[in-house]
Amino acid sequence: EAQVTQNPRYLITVTGKKLTVTCSQNMNHEYMSWYRQDPGLGLRQIYYSMNVEVTDKGDVPEGYKVSRKEKRNFPLILESPSPNQTSLYFCASSLRGFNYGYTFGSGTRLTVV
Amino acid sequence: AQSVTQPDIHITVSEGASLELRCNYSYGATPYLFWYVQSPGQGLQLLLKYFSGDTLVQGIKGFEAEFKRSQSSFNLRKPSVHWSDAAEYFCAVGDPSGGSYIPTFGRGTSLIVHP
Repeated sequence: EAQVTQNPRYLITVTGKKLTVTCSQNMNHEYMSWYRQDPGLGLRQIYYSMNVEVTDKGDVPEGYKVSRKEKRNFPLILESPSPNQTSLYFCASSLRGFNYGYTFGSGTRLTVV
Repeated sequence: AQSVTQPDIHITVSEGASLELRCNYSYGATPYLFWYVQSPGQGLQLLLKYFSGDTLVQGIKGFEAEFKRSQSSFNLRKPSVHWSDAAEYFCAVGDPSGGSYIPTFGRGTSLIVHP
């Protein structure tokens, strides 16, 4: 089944403890992206990647890192999480480009205390 | 830069009634247009998309949307709503010119379905 898989689905962590949210897609998509979703703010893009080793900042990149060493994987790294990063995170991928529509993962609900 | 507005934060309908969710965009030409649905606890799923051609677009789950250039709108419709349609709906706009790589999402409309 074609899908974007995120792990974990739920995570509670403490301030300052480094964490990684994994994202993997099995559709051979070149384009991948991370979003965060917050009440009243909608979806905001954190980082995106247009191919292996090609990444760029989205609208809200502060406090996050990404890497794209393989086509299928696009992990999101929080080096020193803070409570304002408590959010619902989505990974998404696209075959033709971001403007052609996404396939989204099921989301990761992160709570930083 | 493109922008998109979903004027209704919440919409409440009775099961079996018809539905129309509004989406207005701002863009200099004809954009790419999308509707996504987010069921509780799930990621977003693409319902339908418009790139060009026929302005009435059919999607999954019995939804359709109509592109109206004169009104800069791309409203989502369904003739008879089912309780399982209760979800958050997002309209999104993409830039065909390549001026922006990133689509813009509306803030969403929450659909409540009464039995």
